Amino acid sequence: AQKVTQAQTEISVVEKEDVTLDCVYETRDTTYYLFWYKQPPSGELVFLIRRNSFDEQNEISGRYSWNFQKSTSSFNFTITASQVVDSAVYFCALYYSGAGSYQLTFGKGTKLSVIP
Amino acid sequence: DTGVSQNPRHKITKRGQNVTFRCDPISEHNRLYWYRQTLGQGPEFLTYFQNEAQLEKSRLLSDRFSAERPKGSFSTLEIQRTEQGDSAMYLCASSLGYSEAFFGQGTRLTVV
Repeated sequence: AQKVTQAQTEISVVEKEDVTLDCVYETRDTTYYLFWYKQPPSGELVFLIRRNSFDEQNEISGRYSWNFQKSTSSFNFTITASQVVDSAVYFCALYYSGAGSYQLTFGKGTKLSVIP
Repeated sequence: DTGVSQNPRHKITKRGQNVTFRCDPISEHNRLYWYRQTLGQGPEFLTYFQNEAQLEKSRLLSDRFSAERPKGSFSTLEIQRTEQGDSAMYLCASSLGYSEAFFGQGTRLTVV
């Protein structure tokens, strides 16, 4: 069974603060993919990043960075110097290609509010 | 190409009525997915198409739900005899092979 846990339901930070969103996953598969999506108030899920299970290198993209640790089954997301435009719900998701399944399993999301 | 397009954006219907939603994926994408999202929850998988073949259905997809993807292009999701519990955001996504899925803006269904 696949499961994604985002323990933080809501986070509020003041603009320019750094914030880390936690994601813990469960899977029995050795080959899988992890994703982060952003859902602004408009409702559309915006793709942020995809990592495969064989690539544990951390990634940085501008103010965004991701820390993937297989030893703790975590894929955490950090926003540096947060901005008001970062306010959204962020979802972590897991995909595996075993057993003929093609679905993404999402966590419940973390609502981030960045206060000016 | 402007991404995945869903219509309508909002739908209000009376309980017991049938509704149909449409999704136009990114043109070169061969995979299409439907998800349902209720308030405060992450999206839940409903069904998946590879080209025109429906290859996977969630147990959430009761017999009142049907999805089609004729000719492997656009897709429709129909809900018959709607119930209040069907009220949710219905999201469509498409991808090319195992690449990341791109989502549309969703259709928000309200059953009154």
